[in-house]
Amino acid sequence: DGGITQSPKYLFRKEGQNVTLSCEQNLNHDAMYWYRQDPGQGLRLIYYSQIVNDFQKGDIAEGYSVSREKKESFPLTVTSAQKNPTAFYLCASSSNGWSTDTQYFGPGTRLTVL
Amino acid sequence: AQKVTQAQTEISVVEKEDVTLDCVYETRDTTYYLFWYKQPPSGELVFLIRRNSFDEQNEISGRYSWNFQKSTSSFNFTITASQVVDSAVYFCALKETGFQKLVFGTGTRLLVSP
Repeated sequence: DGGITQSPKYLFRKEGQNVTLSCEQNLNHDAMYWYRQDPGQGLRLIYYSQIVNDFQKGDIAEGYSVSREKKESFPLTVTSAQKNPTAFYLCASSSNGWSTDTQYFGPGTRLTVL
Repeated sequence: AQKVTQAQTEISVVEKEDVTLDCVYETRDTTYYLFWYKQPPSGELVFLIRRNSFDEQNEISGRYSWNFQKSTSSFNFTITASQVVDSAVYFCALKETGFQKLVFGTGTRLLVSP
């Protein structure tokens, strides 16, 4: 089955720790995205990548980092510099990243900072 | 600036009722794309529809229909004969030409009771 997988589903972190969220897709899509969702709010873009070894900051990139070493994978690291990391994180992908694209989403990772 | 407004925070209906979810958008671009996504309790965003700004034809897909009106900058979503499985948060989103970012509304939570 083609799709986007995210792991883990739930993640707990102590303050001051970095944590990495996994996102993998087997749709052969070039573009991948990370969004953050807070309760009662829409999604906000953290980072996106249109091609391997290249990525761009979104609206709320501070305190986050990404890498894109493989087409299928786009991990997100939430660093200790992120002031309020507790949120629901959604990864998405699209075929080429152009404006005509449709983004498809994974199941999400819920991060809680203890 | 891009903006999407979903003024209805939560709607409750009884099964078999029709329900319309409102979406109003703001953009300075003449070419743009509008989307609706469904987020069930599991959390994953499910793509429902994409509409191009130059195509104002309304669309029907089973019990779902969409009314796009450029004159009022609205892209409303109607569910006919609602079912309990329709209970979810529904997001409207906008993407402008040349931008990879989806701008989301804050979502409308739909509760369908038996």
